[in-house]
Amino acid sequence: EVQLVESGGGLVQPGGSLRLSCAASGFSFSSYAMTWVRQAPGKGLEWVSTISGSGDPTVYADSVKGRFTISRDNSKNTLYLQMNSLRAEDTAIYYCAKDAVSGGFDPWGQGTLVTVSS
Amino acid sequence: DIQMTQSPSSLSASVGDRVTITCQASQDISNFLNWYQQIPGRAPKLLIYDASNLETGVPSRFSGRGSGTDFTFTISSLQPEDIATYYCQQYDNLPYTFGQGTKLQIK
Repeated sequence: EVQLVESGGGLVQPGGSLRLSCAASGFSFSSYAMTWVRQAPGKGLEWVSTISGSGDPTVYADSVKGRFTISRDNSKNTLYLQMNSLRAEDTAIYYCAKDAVSGGFDPWGQGTLVTVSS
Repeated sequence: DIQMTQSPSSLSASVGDRVTITCQASQDISNFLNWYQQIPGRAPKLLIYDASNLETGVPSRFSGRGSGTDFTFTISSLQPEDIATYYCQQYDNLPYTFGQGTKLQIK
């Protein structure tokens, strides 16, 4: 069974940093691109970043480009999202998801909440 | 960026009703369109990919159709467990974009 488990969320001050992790199991991790999607409280879904199975290339939403870095460690079956220069508008539940062959995201982890506030 | 516009934003229907949600893309995306279900408090789940293909294990009462800029998602007979917010998502061009969601409630 494919499982994705996010961790690393929490409360951080504006301008601060946080690193999210997503532990994957149940599939050949290095064979699949992986994606981060976020959801602000009570709002819709926003694609954040995608990384290929090998780790290169990576792509980002304009809203996080230059501040967030997606990476992966295929030896540890783990996906990361390094978030720097955090802003209040980055407050959201962050989900990691496995890229399906079809171009969709499936499955998703349970999400981890990031709150940016002073 | 490709804008995805869903309608309605919310919908109330009775058990057994046929429910249809529309999604319009701001430009031609061929059939590069997915539909997700998000039950309250849960992560989204992929239901339909490439506009009309049902994910394995998804009940056959769910269906999708369309191509180009206009797409529809249909539940043929609404069940209580279908209460959720539904999102369309395009993957024709980066950045991948979602519709604003349609919140489905039982009347």
